[in-house]
Amino acid sequence: DVKVTQSSRYLVKRTGEKVFLECVQDMDHENMFWYRQDPGLGLRLIYFSYDVKMKEKGDIPEGYSVSREKKERFSLILESASTNQTSMYLCASTILGSRLYNEQFFGPGTRLTVL
Amino acid sequence: AQTVTQSQPEMSVQEAETVTLSCTYDTSESDYYLFWYKQPPSRQMILVIRQEAYKQQNATENRFSVNFQKAAKSFSLKISDSQLGDAAMYFCAYRRDSNTGKLIFGQGTTLQVKP
Repeated sequence: DVKVTQSSRYLVKRTGEKVFLECVQDMDHENMFWYRQDPGLGLRLIYFSYDVKMKEKGDIPEGYSVSREKKERFSLILESASTNQTSMYLCASTILGSRLYNEQFFGPGTRLTVL
Repeated sequence: AQTVTQSQPEMSVQEAETVTLSCTYDTSESDYYLFWYKQPPSRQMILVIRQEAYKQQNATENRFSVNFQKAAKSFSLKISDSQLGDAAMYFCAYRRDSNTGKLIFGQGTTLQVKP
């Protein structure tokens, strides 16, 4: 069974704190993604990584950074958390390939509240 | 830029009845994939069904089927014989990059199933 796990289901942080969200996949996937999910906006891509130490900005990267030191692990970092970063964060992974289905497999999500 | 629109924030259906969720998208590409994802209250997002744009035949997965109208850029999901377990948020998604598998999501539709 394929699996994407996230380090926390719920997280409460204070404004200005540095926040780390961890994601691990056991499918040997090359591509990993971080999204945030907000009501009425769907999922929006923050960053993605297509290989170890490789990353690319998504649609809303401001205020975030990422780290991928190992293939199976992709971390999202909020350098200085702000209240407008209160959201649901979803991690996903997919296999690389131009003619494959490229189904994304998702983690359970982390509900982050910034006070 | 590609966009995906789900114009129904909420839908409800009686158990055992049929419901159709709407999705429209905008793209200038001719080859792409479309997906419907389901996010139950437990929040783990799972793939429901996918459609390849070059295939004219509508995809079907058990009680789930799509009505893919390429010229109209419409991709609706039909759920037949609705069950209580179908209650969830449903997201329509467009795959915009064949190598990385990046997706663009719609805003989501919350489906309520009434017993």
